[in-house]
Amino acid sequence: GAVVSQHPSRVICKSGTSVKIECRSLDFQATTMFWYRQFPKKSLMLMATSNEGSKATYEQGVEKDKFLINHASLTLSTLTVTSAHPEDSSFYICSAPIPGQDRTSPLHFGNGTRLTVT
Amino acid sequence: AQKVTQAQTEISVVEKEDVTLDCVYETRDTTYYLFWYKQPPSGELVFLIRRNSFDEQNEISGRYSWNFQKSTSSFNFTITASQVVDSAVYFCALSLYNQGGKLIFGQGTELSVKP
Repeated sequence: GAVVSQHPSRVICKSGTSVKIECRSLDFQATTMFWYRQFPKKSLMLMATSNEGSKATYEQGVEKDKFLINHASLTLSTLTVTSAHPEDSSFYICSAPIPGQDRTSPLHFGNGTRLTVT
Repeated sequence: AQKVTQAQTEISVVEKEDVTLDCVYETRDTTYYLFWYKQPPSGELVFLIRRNSFDEQNEISGRYSWNFQKSTSSFNFTITASQVVDSAVYFCALSLYNQGGKLIFGQGTELSVKP
């Protein structure tokens, strides 16, 4: 079964509003989670690394104020797209390494969130 | 810098044909991991395999097989006797040991298996 739960799976919002996407680790604690973005017919690009209890680490070119990441607990990371615009429409997907395995075991991803900004 | 290249953007085959998806990677690190994921039209990423840089053994899992060759920095994926349900986008990805799980993805190969 799924070990990472992502919600919502689809969201449509109006330009200028904010949207929050949740990523939960099920049955394990995730001190780190990764957020990726995928444009249609394109590859997945890492946006940021979410760290429990500290600030997220953003990849070059990703606007921190635009994409707010909060990792307030060991099982939940959230990505908020603030003041969304049509160009933010994309597929957002999270992943979490599973403890007990080596440090490079991001075997499981959430099911992704398809955001459409009208 | 690290990079993953999947030169085949789209592949179309007829059911029961064998098909190989190519993946070439670049890294100067000696310890790293390579992955293949399947992304069906619904969008989720399905984990297929992970291989570490010290294990060059080929692997077979049912109709799937993987050929890892460090000498050519390649990690190719073969589907034998393809089926319509294999139609999806397939991603090859690289993760460095010291980067705690970040994945660098290739561009993806869209496989279409026609009946």
